[in-house]
This record gives sequence, structure tokens and C-alpha cells, in this order.
Amino acid sequence: AQSVTQPDIHITVSEGASLELRCNYSYGATPYLFWYVQSPGQGLQLLLKYFSGDTLVQGIKGFEAEFKRSQSSFNLRKPSVHWSDAAEYFCAAWASGTYKYIFGTGTRLKVLA
Amino acid sequence: GAVVSQHPSRVICKSGTSVKIECRSLDFQATTMFWYRQFPKQSLMLMATSNEGSKATYEQGVEKDKFLINHASLTLSTLTVTSAHPEDSSFYICSATAGGWDEQFFGPGTRLTVL
Repeated sequence: AQSVTQPDIHITVSEGASLELRCNYSYGATPYLFWYVQSPGQGLQLLLKYFSGDTLVQGIKGFEAEFKRSQSSFNLRKPSVHWSDAAEYFCAAWASGTYKYIFGTGTRLKVLA
Repeated sequence: GAVVSQHPSRVICKSGTSVKIECRSLDFQATTMFWYRQFPKQSLMLMATSNEGSKATYEQGVEKDKFLINHASLTLSTLTVTSAHPEDSSFYICSATAGGWDEQFFGPGTRLTVL
């Protein structure tokens, strides 16, 4: 079955430290991949997306993600975390023919001052 | 960029009443809209997909008569929670696509509390 897995439910990092949030997908073919951020009580904001081409994708707010087909992964990274990055992060995938997103369970990021 | 709005942002109602939530695409025509439900500290669960002018397609386990979805125009979809009960309390989020199946644009969500 198609699925998106985010192994880490919670992650805590210090402000200024680097960040990597993991995402793995299980699809028959390469899906379209997305990372969204959700602040408390808010909707989802798109950070970046991967459709094809360069496997390193740059997004907003200094985030990037790397698609690795061999590992079925699409991990989100940021070199230096800011306190305002504290939020819930969702990885999502969409595959042609399904006409819907499948979301991971989310990773809650806490940033220590 | 594509903007999706939802109204109201918060609603509190008594058990047994019906609540309507609107989802609008403000600067594009949304051929398809999606409704999600999100429980506290959990992921988004797709409830239904609606295409303009046709009946919504509900996900397994979602009660069609409980959650009425109407997509009467290319910029508006509504979700009506009929005879709401406390267990229907949740965060409801809509999204829309502008014809291409590449990206969904999400609304800010509606917090429903049923007393």
C-alpha cells in the first residue's frame, strides 16, 4: 500500500543548530513529494516540492530537501534553525492516478533558546 | 500565489445543530477541492474530494449524510456538518487544485467545537 512515514514524532534542537527531518515513502513509482509546515491552529504552508529533475530542492525559509530514490526518502534540512521554526512539519506524497495526497504523521519541532 | 480562504475560522455550536463551513479559492478557479479533518496532534485525514458540479467522493468510513459537501462553483465548496455532536469537534481544513494535479493550496482551517 502507498504510504508516507515520518519516523520522528518529536524533535528538539537548539536555536542555531542544524536540522534534518526524515520522510520515507512507499509507492510503486516515484511520487510527487511535498513538505508542509503548520503552526498551531493554522493551515498548511508549502515549504518545497519535488516533481522531477534536480534531487536537491530549495524551499522557502531556508529549507531544502533531498530526494533519494535508492532510499525512498525525501528528508528536509535546514542549516541553522530559528526559534520561529518551531511547528509541525508534514511530508506528503501524491502519485498520478490516486488524485489525492497521502500525509505522513507529522514531526513536531521544538526549538530551544 | 494561489490563496484559499475558509469561513468561519472558529465555530462553537450546540449538539444537534448543523454547521456550514465555506472554502473559497480567491484568485484561481478550483476544479477540485478536498476536505480534511485533523484531530489534535495528528495528521490530516482526507474526508472527501469534490469536483465542481458533481457529487463528492467520500473516503471510506466518512458518513456522506453526516458531512454534506457541495461544490457549486469553481471558487466555492461547502462542508456542512449535520446534527453535530461533540465527537465531530475537530479542525477542518480544505484545499484546492487549479486544474493540475501537482499541488494543493490549503485554507487556514476551521476549528469546530460542539458542546
